[in-house]
Amino acid sequence: GQNIDQPTEMTATEGAIVQINCTYQTSGFNGLFWYQQHAGEAPTFLSYNVLDGLEEKGRFSSFLSRSKGYSYLLLKELQMKDSASYLCAVSNWGGKLIFGQGTELSVKP
Amino acid sequence: GAGVSQSPSNKVTEKGKDVELRCDPISGHTALYWYRQSLGQGLEFLIYFQGNSAPDKSGLPSDRFSAERTGGSVSTLTIQRTQQEDSAVYLCASSPDRGVVYEQYFGPGTRLTVT
Repeated sequence: GQNIDQPTEMTATEGAIVQINCTYQTSGFNGLFWYQQHAGEAPTFLSYNVLDGLEEKGRFSSFLSRSKGYSYLLLKELQMKDSASYLCAVSNWGGKLIFGQGTELSVKP
Repeated sequence: GAGVSQSPSNKVTEKGKDVELRCDPISGHTALYWYRQSLGQGLEFLIYFQGNSAPDKSGLPSDRFSAERTGGSVSTLTIQRTQQEDSAVYLCASSPDRGVVYEQYFGPGTRLTVT
């Protein structure tokens, strides 16, 4: 079966660092994606990991451990505009994405 | 360049009626996906088109749902005899054929409300 778990909600303070975890069990694996979705808007691509390790892109970093079925998204120097839903998704063979439920991040001043 | 576009942006229909949702992918993208997102939920995969290959229909929830992609470009998702549980935002995404990486670009979605 396919199962992707991430926390439903998180709250953090402006300027701080937050880590959003994602665990997965899927029948195939061809990479893990993180998307950001602001309320009422379409998801936008943040990062992609297919090999173990850390991928850094500005204030955002994403980590993958395939043996543990685990990923996290790290957001540094949080800004108010980072308040959004963060979606973890696994690509299986063939290219379709299996999404988690999303983590609603609230950044407080 | 132009992104993925979808129409209509909002659709209100009565239970039992048929609806058609349209998606225009990014020009040149060979892969096209349909997802739906219920309120407060993650995205649920519906169907996937890749080039001239047979579509992956494994996510369609019932035989009331169907989709086609004409000329390898525009796609239409049809829901027959709509039910209230079909109310959701229907998102379309496309991606270029880049081999390993399948970054998907999403359209703004169609919000479907079945009354």
